[in-house]
Amino acid sequence: GENVEQHPSTLSVQEGDSAVIKCTYSDSASNYFPWYKQELGKGPQLIIDIRSNVGEKKDQRIAVTLNKTAKHFSLHITETQPEDSAVYFCAARSSNTGNQFYFGTGTSLTVIP
Amino acid sequence: EAGVTQFPSHSVIEKGQTVTLRCDPISGHDNLYWYRRVMGKEIKFLLHFVKESKQDESGMPNNRFLAERTGGTYSTLKVQPAELEDSGVYFCASSLQPGLATYEQYFGPGTRLTVT
Repeated sequence: GENVEQHPSTLSVQEGDSAVIKCTYSDSASNYFPWYKQELGKGPQLIIDIRSNVGEKKDQRIAVTLNKTAKHFSLHITETQPEDSAVYFCAARSSNTGNQFYFGTGTSLTVIP
Repeated sequence: EAGVTQFPSHSVIEKGQTVTLRCDPISGHDNLYWYRRVMGKEIKFLLHFVKESKQDESGMPNNRFLAERTGGTYSTLKVQPAELEDSGVYFCASSLQPGLATYEQYFGPGTRLTVT
């Protein structure tokens, strides 16, 4: 089945700097890649997603890039703010295995004021 | 519109006891999923309902876990008897029906289960 790896596991940045989280996947049939943000005491919240027919997608300060050849995708947060501090999860959906998502192990992002 | 809700938020039980977790999906979502995150690891898929039918239960760890979705609305996940390794956060997610070309899954806040 699909295997998703996520790096780094922890990330600290100064407020205003950029943060990048990277994920790789193994199944070439994966066609949908969501990113979730989990704040303390809450469930994962979908913040952005990308499909396999698109190379990049942007939503205000958040962007995701996808390289299908290399099987990796990344989350970019610009002009970070303290409220961006949370655990971020990448995930992949493979057309071979139904609708389940395969998640990375998470990145704990801390934005230092 | 109400999101996915889960009950209880926390549960502490002793090894050998039984616990039942409940999930109420977003109204109108035919698809309901259960996932689990063991501390520090990835969120792992357990099973997927389409309405009241189990579409995929390939992630269920063993027969101590029983999921139901009678009537195709809320779902329950029962662990009986609980073991120490069952500790973790159990998430429920829901999504619209397939065929609408939408894959988004919306997650509930989770139930933190601690087995002592």
